[in-house]
Amino acid sequence: GQNIDQPTEMTATEGAIVQINCTYQTSGFNGLFWYQQHAGEAPTFLSYNVLDGLEEKGRFSSFLSRSKGYSYLLLKELQMKDSASYLCAVKDSNYQLIWGAGTKLIIKP
Amino acid sequence: GAVVSQHPSRVICKSGTSVKIECRSLDFQATTMFWYRQFPKQSLMLMATSNEGSKATYEQGVEKDKFLINHASLTLSTLTVTSAHPEDSSFYICSARGTGEWKEQYFGPGTRLTVT
Repeated sequence: GQNIDQPTEMTATEGAIVQINCTYQTSGFNGLFWYQQHAGEAPTFLSYNVLDGLEEKGRFSSFLSRSKGYSYLLLKELQMKDSASYLCAVKDSNYQLIWGAGTKLIIKP
Repeated sequence: GAVVSQHPSRVICKSGTSVKIECRSLDFQATTMFWYRQFPKQSLMLMATSNEGSKATYEQGVEKDKFLINHASLTLSTLTVTSAHPEDSSFYICSARGTGEWKEQYFGPGTRLTVT
């Protein structure tokens, strides 16, 4: 079966750095996405990785290792507004998005 | 700015009635639209995938006669929840995918449905 694992919840301090991991087992791979979702709102796109390596976009970076079926989202200089759920999703061989359950990130002052 | 809109953003209806939710792509032609449901503190669950002009493909466990999906044009898809019950109360989110520069999924803002 297809499976995406990410921690249920993480806590970090304002101004710090946090890394959210995602491991996946899917039938085929056509890219990995990270989305941010604030409570009561729809997900918003953060990043997309299809090749191995690190993609940096401002305070957020995303890393992919296809051989290990592994990705992480790195958030730097955390702000209170970063408190949200972070969803990892993989596009499989049928170009369907397979979603992880999401990681709730709690930022403390 | 937003590229996918949903209407209404919130709706409250009585048990047994039907509710229609619209999803529109604003800046591109959506060859494929997706409908998701999200219960509180849970992840997105794909309900169905629809391609313009053809019947929707429903995920296992989703009743196609209860959740009617119409994708009649390249910019509009509708989800109708028929004979709604309180357990259908949920957050319904659509996303749209086009071609070329619009080949990724763009999410609408979601519709909060409450069935009383």
